[in-house]
Amino acid sequence: DAGVIQSPRHEVTEMGQEVTLRCKPISGHNSLFWYRQTMMRGLELLIYFNNNVPIDDSGMPEDRFSAKMPNASFSTLKIQPSEPRDSAVYFCASSKQVGYSNQPQHFGDGTRLSIL
Amino acid sequence: AQSVTQLDSQVPVFEEAPVELRCNYSSSVSVYLFWYVQYPNQGLQLLLKYLSGSTLVKGINGFEAEFNKSQTSFHLRKPSVHISDTAEYFCAVSENAGNMLTFGGGTRLMVKP
Repeated sequence: DAGVIQSPRHEVTEMGQEVTLRCKPISGHNSLFWYRQTMMRGLELLIYFNNNVPIDDSGMPEDRFSAKMPNASFSTLKIQPSEPRDSAVYFCASSKQVGYSNQPQHFGDGTRLSIL
Repeated sequence: AQSVTQLDSQVPVFEEAPVELRCNYSSSVSVYLFWYVQYPNQGLQLLLKYLSGSTLVKGINGFEAEFNKSQTSFHLRKPSVHISDTAEYFCAVSENAGNMLTFGGGTRLMVKP
């Protein structure tokens, strides 16, 4: 079975440019999560979707960040304009939410973003 | 609010020795607990989970963890480690009414020959 697929794997761009990260969750999963991982702050949850609806975006650092999930098989995380401090590894994860059950999250391999 | 503390940022150990990676959590409600492993340049992979039932949970790659409610701990153990176990290990907690995880800061396990 295909896991969570993220693209691109690596992105290097200049400050001020728009960056779009993409995620395809596991088929049948109805929850999707975007995380950011840095040495300083560890693994941080940015936003969480359930059935394509954003449930909690309290972790989104500022208005430069936005996330969408137009359908059950695709999500994007956009940074506009990008800044050097946005450099990090961004992970997407998905899980199957059934009622109040807590099914494990499955992670993609991440996008390593470098803003120059 | 829930939080997770991994007391050791790095744990060096010799191959074939036993290891314990410590995890403590705080939460005002019942929790579900997870351990994930991250190999270099990869995403997180689930090692094991505690949802309910037996407090001793067995996972993949010979790892196990014990849920101790009174001590609010969920320590990860392996009786004999291999070089291939070298990775970063994350403890995570989820409260019973949602699917969001709170992660600890991670513990880097370094297995030496």
